[in-house]
Order: sequence, then C-alpha cells, then structure tokens
Amino acid sequence: EAQVTQNPRYLITVTGKKLTVTCSQNMNHEYMSWYRQDPGLGLRQIYYSMNVEVTDKGDVPEGYKVSRKEKRNFPLILESPSPNQTSLYFCASRRTGGYSNQPQHFGDGTRLSIL
Amino acid sequence: AQSVTQPDIHITVSEGASLELRCNYSYGATPYLFWYVQSPGQGLQLLLKYFSGDTLVQGIKGFEAEFKRSQSSFNLRKPSVHWSDAAEYFCAVGARVGSYIPTFGRGTSLIVHP
Repeated sequence: EAQVTQNPRYLITVTGKKLTVTCSQNMNHEYMSWYRQDPGLGLRQIYYSMNVEVTDKGDVPEGYKVSRKEKRNFPLILESPSPNQTSLYFCASRRTGGYSNQPQHFGDGTRLSIL
Repeated sequence: AQSVTQPDIHITVSEGASLELRCNYSYGATPYLFWYVQSPGQGLQLLLKYFSGDTLVQGIKGFEAEFKRSQSSFNLRKPSVHWSDAAEYFCAVGARVGSYIPTFGRGTSLIVHP
C-alpha cells in the first residue's frame, strides 16, 4: 500500500530537548516536504526536498532542520524545541519535484506539544 | 507568486442538504488547482484536481468542482451531504511556471447537523 508514514504520532516533551520526527514514503517519490498546521493559519511549509541531498526552506523554517540522505526518508529535526513549535506536523510527498501539477500524498500527522 | 483564499472558516449544513465551499485564487495564468479533505486525526487526502480541459471536475466521495476563469474561482460542491463529510477542506494552487511549491488556503471546516 502506497503511504507516507510519520513517527511518532504524538509527542509531549520539554523545551530544549532535541527531537526528531521521522517521515518515510514507499512510492519512490522525489519530492518531500514538511508542513505545520495551526488553527486559523492553515498549512505552512517548513522545508522541502526536490530530491536526495537537495533541500530548501519553506515559509517557516526557523527552529527546524531537515536532511535527505535517502530518497524514502525525510526527517524533521528540532534541535532546541520551544513552546511556539507546539503544532500538528505533516509530511508529504509527490512523484517529482519539478511539476506542481502533481498532488501530494500526506502522512497522518504528528502532534507535538512542547512544554 | 500565487495565492489562494477560502473565505469561509466554518460552514454548517444539514445532512442531505447541498454544499458549496468557496475557493478564490490569484495567479497570472490558469494554475493547477486541487481540493483536499482532512478528516479528524488524519492527513490530507486528494478529492479532485484541475489541470486543463473540462472546467467541471469530478472527484471522489461524490464531490465536484468547477473552474471559473472569469471569477478566479474553483468552488467545491456536493449535491447531498452525509454526516461523514464533516471535515476540514483545503483548496490548493500550483503554479504552471516558476515555483514548484503549492500554496494552500487556510481551510474551511464543514459541520454537518443531523
């Protein structure tokens, strides 16, 4: 089954404790991205990756890092989480990076609470 | 750069009633257009998309959307709403040239009364 898998689904942690949210897709997609979803603000893109070893900032990259060492994986790293990063996070992928006519496939989300 | 507006934050309808969710975009040409649905606790799922051709697009779950160039709109419709349609709906726009990054609207929350 084609899917985007995020882990963990829920996490409560404290300010300053490094955390990583993993994202993996099994569709051999080139393009992957991370979004955060906040009430009233919709989806805002954090980072995206057009292919392996190619990443770039989205609209709200501050406080986040990503890496793309393999095609299937695109982890989101919070080196020093702060309460304003409490949010619902989504990973998404699409077949190729260079064509915005392709829909994205989304994971089920990770709800992070930073105390 | 493209932008997209969903004017309604919440829409409430009765089960069995018709539904129209509004989406307006700003772009210098005809963009790629998408509607996604997000059920509680889940990720976004594609309902339908428009690239070119017939301006009335059929999607999954009985939804359709009509592209109107003159109004820069891509409204989502369903003739008879079911309680299971209660969800968050997002309109998204992709540029044909330039940016490869789609832009999402802020979403419309659909509430269905029995």
